[in-house]
Amino acid sequence: GEDVEQSLFLSVREGDSSVINCTYTDSSSTYLYWYKQEPGAGLQLLTYIFSNMDMKQDQRLTVLLNKKDKHLSLRIADTQTGDSAIYFCAEGTSGGSYIPTFGRGTSLIVHP
Amino acid sequence: GAGVSQSPSNKVTEKGKDVELRCDPISGHTALYWYRQSLGQGLEFLIYFQGNSAPDKSGLPSDRFSAERTGGSVSTLTIQRTQQEDSAVYLCASSLGKNTGELFFGEGSRLTVL
Repeated sequence: GEDVEQSLFLSVREGDSSVINCTYTDSSSTYLYWYKQEPGAGLQLLTYIFSNMDMKQDQRLTVLLNKKDKHLSLRIADTQTGDSAIYFCAEGTSGGSYIPTFGRGTSLIVHP
Repeated sequence: GAGVSQSPSNKVTEKGKDVELRCDPISGHTALYWYRQSLGQGLEFLIYFQGNSAPDKSGLPSDRFSAERTGGSVSTLTIQRTQQEDSAVYLCASSLGKNTGELFFGEGSRLTVL
């Protein structure tokens, strides 16, 4: 079945860039997502990219997709303490039942 | 309400008891999902409802787990004869039901089985 892998932890200094990586196995993935979960809260969609795109930029966020290697990354520029959260990579395939598969989540810790 | 609402937010129960967790999705959302979030395990898909179609129950871990969705809106996840390994946060999400859509998550129900 589908599998989405992420590293579990990332620690960065405030003001630096953060890069969170994700790999997936389903070559038919149509959409790839990044969700953010703050403490005690549900997940919120941060950004997404279609599988026919290589890059998407949205303010401080840059998503890069290497479809050949099935590798997705999320770069957060000028990381702030408010960015501390768990970031989930997810993939979805259109057609049939639409059930996104999520990774384990990467805990981003931003310290002053 | 404006978002997905789940209740209870916290539930502590004894091993062997049954529990019911409730999810009230966003009005007009035809798709509803239950996921389970265990420590270090990420989000595990449990069950998916889409409109009037038969639910996709492929993620339910055992026959102690069941879910229903009444009138295409509110859903209840029932766990019978709870075990300690059922302890987790149970997340409900809803979406417009299109195959491109964003999932909107509730804050979850934290279940602790003693």
